[in-house]
Amino acid sequence: KNQVEQSPQSLIILEGKNCTLQCNYTVSPFSNLRWYKQDTGRGPVSLTIMTFSENTKSNGRYTATLDADTKQSSLHITASQLSDSASYICVVSDRGSTLGRLYFGRGTQLTVWP
Amino acid sequence: EADIYQTPRYLVIGTGKKITLECSQTMGHDKMYWYQQDPGMELHLIHYSYGVNSTEKGDLSSESTVSRIRTEHFPLTLESARPSHTSQYLCASSVVNEQFFGPGTRLTVL
Repeated sequence: KNQVEQSPQSLIILEGKNCTLQCNYTVSPFSNLRWYKQDTGRGPVSLTIMTFSENTKSNGRYTATLDADTKQSSLHITASQLSDSASYICVVSDRGSTLGRLYFGRGTQLTVWP
Repeated sequence: EADIYQTPRYLVIGTGKKITLECSQTMGHDKMYWYQQDPGMELHLIHYSYGVNSTEKGDLSSESTVSRIRTEHFPLTLESARPSHTSQYLCASSVVNEQFFGPGTRLTVL
């Protein structure tokens, strides 16, 4: 069964600190992996997207890594800000259909305290 | 930020009412999607469309229906709302490997 598991489920950090969120997946065949940020009551917004051949990608203070062999990804947030408080969702796409089926994790709820 | 819009943003309605959730995008994307998301849970695909006059059911069984008469418009309809329909509904459109999401409609059925 294709699955995407994220950890931790929730995380609280102090402003200015770094943190790393984890994503493990069993989706096969693999096409790409995305990280989204979803603010409360809003739709997800894309942070990064990585294909099989990419093992790291940055977007400002966000850096995603991908190990396609172990089927693991991480999202590292540097120098956290209050506005980083949100749910971070890992999404994996297969290439088994023309739709490019997406498999969603349940997200990690990050809270940044001042 | 993508140009994809959803209305209403919040809706509280009584059981048995018919409702339509609106979704529109100005990017000319052929593929559009409806997802249902409960708090703390993953998004579940309930409907998708490859283009005008094309609609398919997603992975999660839903009593809602959709239509795609125009490229930019993908409304979702519930003929008779029930409390079990209470959820957040997210619309999205896509091109190549990227999906763009709308802000969502938070539906509460009393």
